[in-house]
Amino acid sequence: AQKITQTQPGMFVQEKEAVTLDCTYDTSDPSYGLFWYKQPSSGEMIFLIYQGSYDQQNATEGRYSLNFQKARKSANLVISASQLGDSAMYFCAMRGNAGGTSYGKLTFGQGTILTVHP
Amino acid sequence: DVKVTQSSRYLVKRTGEKVFLECVQDMDHENMFWYRQDPGLGLRLIYFSYDVKMKEKGDIPEGYSVSREKKERFSLILESASTNQTSMYLCASSLRASGARTQYFGPGTRLLVL
Repeated sequence: AQKITQTQPGMFVQEKEAVTLDCTYDTSDPSYGLFWYKQPSSGEMIFLIYQGSYDQQNATEGRYSLNFQKARKSANLVISASQLGDSAMYFCAMRGNAGGTSYGKLTFGQGTILTVHP
Repeated sequence: DVKVTQSSRYLVKRTGEKVFLECVQDMDHENMFWYRQDPGLGLRLIYFSYDVKMKEKGDIPEGYSVSREKKERFSLILESASTNQTSMYLCASSLRASGARTQYFGPGTRLLVL
């Protein structure tokens, strides 16, 4: 069974500062993928970044980077230069057994609410 | 542009009613998913489908059923709605390929069961 844990129910950050959102995972699958999604108050889920378990380098997408530490089973999201529009709920998710019959199912963490202060 | 639509953004139903939530995607994706989102619990998978007329139970299928008669449409059915099914329901789709890097989500349906 797969499990994703986000231990920070809420985080606050000053505008223009960097913030790290924590995510730890547990799986017995040798191949898996890790995702981060953003959910604004409007409700839609916005894909931010993806890290494959065999990727050699940490993923980056603009101001988002994923600090992937495989031995520690952590996949923290780093947002640099926070903006007011970054205020939202953030979900970490995992897709296991990428080459098998998982059909792309995702297991989600509990989410972290990020508030960016001006 | 990728598009997943859900039939309603907000829905209010009474206990015992049969409820249909519809999801349509225009990306020719094989996989489709229904999740429910509750505070403190994140998103939990109810059912998914990997092909027309094929369906698999997710983590919390009790009280729900699904239908996939056409590739682009995946319906979630609450046979007899109960108050504990008040929640946000999110539909998603993805390519079948194992390398598919993301699921695409619809805007969600906020269901209130009175």
